[in-house]
Amino acid sequence: DIVVTQSPDSLAVSLGERATINCKSSQSVFEKSNNVNYLGWYQQKPGQPPRLLIYWASTRESGVPDRFSGSGSGTDFTLTISSLQAEDVAVYYCQQYHPTLTWTFGQGTRVEIK
Amino acid sequence: QVQLQESGPGLVKPSETLSLTCTVSGGSVSSYYWNWIRQPPGKGLEWIGSMYYSGSTNYNPSLKSRATMSVDTSRTQFSLKLSSVTAADTAMYYCARGSSVCFECSVTWGQGTMVTVSS
Repeated sequence: DIVVTQSPDSLAVSLGERATINCKSSQSVFEKSNNVNYLGWYQQKPGQPPRLLIYWASTRESGVPDRFSGSGSGTDFTLTISSLQAEDVAVYYCQQYHPTLTWTFGQGTRVEIK
Repeated sequence: QVQLQESGPGLVKPSETLSLTCTVSGGSVSSYYWNWIRQPPGKGLEWIGSMYYSGSTNYNPSLKSRATMSVDTSRTQFSLKLSSVTAADTAMYYCARGSSVCFECSVTWGQGTMVTVSS
């Protein structure tokens, strides 16, 4: 079975500083036929459903601030918040959604203010 | 703007079948992928399964064939049945839908419906 692992499980960052979350898949989620990585990032705040931030590993969803960026390919991916704001306190999940694999979420990374 | 609303029984007895419905307003079920995701209290997200609007489905094998999804285009509803439930199935259940730029993603979400499995 495919496993998606995030690191760290939690991190505390000062306001205005950079936050980096890693996501590693046990199998490649890159599809050569259309040159895309089937990897997304979600943000979940308490009491709310998740919100899609990034899809195709690096494409920002409409309305998502440009301080959020995604990178990586194959099995290793990163979500970066370039300048942490108070409203970014949340749990962040990556998910692989490759059409030939069982879609899987990472375990989540909690981001807090230091 | 499309909106999703989950509905369900709230409380289900062990060994029974859980039935959930996702009602779509402002859009149809005749496009994109439709997804069910759940979240046990205080825990992370678990993908249950996805259904393409054409009818093809993909389920999380960890559910061991207990899950069945369907789409009712006439009623613009997307449904989930989960059989032989146990306490481990207690969770917030979300339905979600893809979009024109990412069919498979969970772009639009409902607010979720809490299901407790208990006798």
